[in-house]
Amino acid sequence: AQSVTQLGSHVSVSEGALVLLRCNYSSSVPPYLFWYVQYPNQGLQLLLKYTSAATLVKGINGFEAEFKKSETSFHLTKPSAHMSDAAEYFCAVSPMGGKLIFGQGTELSVKP
Amino acid sequence: EAGVVQSPRYKIIEKKQPVAFWCNPISGHNTLYWYLQNLGQGPELLIRYENEEAVDDSQLPKDRFSAERLKGVDSTLKIQPAELGDSAVYLCASSPGTSQTDEQFFGPGTRLTVL
Repeated sequence: AQSVTQLGSHVSVSEGALVLLRCNYSSSVPPYLFWYVQYPNQGLQLLLKYTSAATLVKGINGFEAEFKKSETSFHLTKPSAHMSDAAEYFCAVSPMGGKLIFGQGTELSVKP
Repeated sequence: EAGVVQSPRYKIIEKKQPVAFWCNPISGHNTLYWYLQNLGQGPELLIRYENEEAVDDSQLPKDRFSAERLKGVDSTLKIQPAELGDSAVYLCASSPGTSQTDEQFFGPGTRLTVL
């Protein structure tokens, strides 16, 4: 069965600092991987997705993620954090059938 | 283009009472999902519809939960009777197809509190 694990339930960075949110996956087949963001009292919004076309995936709001098969990782990064990036971030994998299996989430705090 | 609409946004009920949530997906999206999100956790799939057919309801607790999507458009999720442990956010999502790479568009959710 496919799954994802997000390392760190809470990450705090200073404004302007690098953002790194970690996600490792478990899959016996090439996975399709997603990062979603959830702002307070809102639904989830897709940041980016990996569909095997390119290992470095660029998303919205300056985020990107790199698929590393050797490390079974799909970490999310942003070079310079902004206050508006404070939210909950979810990594997810899509097995057959179109459903999403989510990690437990990482809450990102940005300090001024 | 309107997004996924859910109502109500908040619901407070006493245990053993029934409750229903409504979802209207993005126009033209054939696939509809209901997810359960407990506090501090990622969403978990309850049921997935392709048009009006429930194609994956393996995680739906069928003793108290039911769902329908009669005309293949909007959908209702019901709990009867509600238990304290049902307090959570219920998210509805839709996608244009069933491909593993299709983006799922999420509504704002219904936050249920069972007292």
